[in-house]
Amino acid sequence: KAGVTQTPRYLIKTRGQQVTLSCSPISGHRSVSWYQQTPGQGLQFLFEYFSETQRNKGNFPGRFSGRQFSNSRSEMNVSTLELGDSALYLCASSPSGQYEAFFGQGTRLTVV
Amino acid sequence: AQSVTQLGSHVSVSEGALVLLRCNYSSSVPPYLFWYVQYPNQGLQLLLKYTTGATLVKGINGFEAEFKKSETSFHLTKPSAHMSDAAEYFCAVALYNQGGKLIFGQGTELSVKP
Repeated sequence: KAGVTQTPRYLIKTRGQQVTLSCSPISGHRSVSWYQQTPGQGLQFLFEYFSETQRNKGNFPGRFSGRQFSNSRSEMNVSTLELGDSALYLCASSPSGQYEAFFGQGTRLTVV
Repeated sequence: AQSVTQLGSHVSVSEGALVLLRCNYSSSVPPYLFWYVQYPNQGLQLLLKYTTGATLVKGINGFEAEFKKSETSFHLTKPSAHMSDAAEYFCAVALYNQGGKLIFGQGTELSVKP
């Protein structure tokens, strides 16, 4: 089975712009979660989608949003980018009823 | 609130020595516990997990961990370190009533000296 695929791998954006990141989960996985990883804050949970519904949400401002499509693929969007949004964004998928998450390689976002 | 504490942000061992990475959790309900490894510029790879049953769990690459409820710990060990084990290791907790949300520790960077 192919693993979790995230695109793009690297992204440079200007402060104030918006960005959309994409995640294709492992085939058959219906749960997709997103995490932000920074040196200062570590790994922080953004949100989780299951069958196109947001099931859980972390403590991030409304500029961070996501969605899931009927094929389980997911996107996250960050609007009005700030310098502090520079991070590695990780997507993970999980089999139904299981709690372990399988991670993609991440998207490295740099805001300048 | 649930939390995960990894003791030691950096651990250094010699090749062939015992690896011990410490993880303690705080949870009001029995958690599911995980160890992940991250190599530079990569995502996280699942090393092992504890959900129910046997408290000593074995994972990939010779790692194992023991769930000790009385100590709220889930320490990761490997009898003999290899140079390729150098990476960052994360302990994580999931709760049955919080869907797919994982709470991570701050990570421990493992260095292996030749």
